[in-house]
Amino acid sequence: AQSVTQPDIHITVSEGASLELRCNYSYGATPYLFWYVQSPGQGLQLLLKYFSGDTLVQGIKGFEAEFKRSQSSFNLRKPSVHWSDAAEYFCAVDSGGGNKLTFGTGTQLKVEL
Amino acid sequence: EAGVAQSPRYKIIEKRQSVAFWCNPISGHATLYWYQQILGQGPKLLIQFQNNGVVDDSQLPKDRFSAERLKGVDSTLKIQPAKLEDSAVYLCASSARTVSYEQYFGPGTRLTVT
Repeated sequence: AQSVTQPDIHITVSEGASLELRCNYSYGATPYLFWYVQSPGQGLQLLLKYFSGDTLVQGIKGFEAEFKRSQSSFNLRKPSVHWSDAAEYFCAVDSGGGNKLTFGTGTQLKVEL
Repeated sequence: EAGVAQSPRYKIIEKRQSVAFWCNPISGHATLYWYQQILGQGPKLLIQFQNNGVVDDSQLPKDRFSAERLKGVDSTLKIQPAKLEDSAVYLCASSARTVSYEQYFGPGTRLTVT
């Protein structure tokens, strides 16, 4: 069965600093890959997704992610973090193409002003 | 466009009681999902509906959990009887399967079992 690992439970960055959140997956083929964000009391919102093609994908709110097949990784990045980016971020995979998502355990992002 | 609606937002019950959660997906979305999110974990898919048929319920604890989606629109998730370990946020999501794979999530119902 596929699995998703987000090795960082908590990350703290200063506002204006760059951000990288790590995600590794375990699956034989290339799955569909997603990043979601969850703010307190809110549902998950899709930031970006990768299905195929260009390995650098752009998302909403200035986020981007790069798929690296050799490392089975799909790391999320943002060049300059804003205080409003403080939230929990989840990486997810759909290995079967049936829209069944397996989520990682999440990374809680704190932004220091 | 209205988002996915869920109610109630919060529920506190005692163990062995029953509880039901309601979800109204985005209009026109054929696929509906229920997830369980335990504190400190990512959401786990419990059941997936396509219209009013079940696509996948392999992770639904069927001895106590049940779900239905009558008429292919609203859905109800029930737990009977509840256990302490059922304390979690229950998320509903929907997707227009033929479009983008994007799942749109509701705000969730936070269940506390005491």
